[in-house]
Amino acid sequence: QVQLLESGGAVVQPGGSLRLSCAASGFTFNKFGMHWVRLAPGKGLEWLTLISHDGSNEYYADSVKGRFTISRDDAKKTVYLQMTGLRPDDTALYYCAKSWWALLRSPIDHWGQGTPVTVSS
Amino acid sequence: QSVLTQPASVSGSPGQSISISCTGPNTDGDDYDFVAWYQQHPGKVPKILIFEVSHRAPGVPDRFSGSRSGNSASLTISELQPEDEADYYCSTYTRSKTLFGDVTKLTVL
Repeated sequence: QVQLLESGGAVVQPGGSLRLSCAASGFTFNKFGMHWVRLAPGKGLEWLTLISHDGSNEYYADSVKGRFTISRDDAKKTVYLQMTGLRPDDTALYYCAKSWWALLRSPIDHWGQGTPVTVSS
Repeated sequence: QSVLTQPASVSGSPGQSISISCTGPNTDGDDYDFVAWYQQHPGKVPKILIFEVSHRAPGVPDRFSGSRSGNSASLTISELQPEDEADYYCSTYTRSKTLFGDVTKLTVL
């Protein structure tokens, strides 16, 4: 079965950087786009970024464009989220998620359990 | 605040039906042909209920249904059950971005 296991969440100071990882298993990793989505305390889900199945295309929400970078390593079946210039409003539970279909236009069908990021001095 | 507007809360009694609306900006494209709905219980991961406006995901009871009119989509839950109490999100998905609506908290009285 599909499993997505995030790691790397931590407490970091404003302006700091962090890299999240998501190890995938149970599906043919290099056939599917992968996303990062976050859930801030008291707020709703916010989509952050998508990387295409072959890594050739990356897309970002305006709120993180220029600060966050998504990447993938198909040999390791892992997707990453490099976060820089972190701000207190980036505090959230960060989910790794999988596209349902092997198409760029696809809903998300599986989610990891999330890794918490707290930005605070 | 998302561009997809949902009510903050809805409620209903067991056995009743409720609907959750999701309204976005007018667009010329086909954005609203690609609407999904997700359910999230506290402390759990989101679960997809509906995709492409009205198609139920595998294993989702037929009590859950989706529809659309123009730039507005709706999720209807009939025969409400206590376990339906959860947060619900609409979502539109394109080739380059996914959007989630503001969360709607469903309370089963």
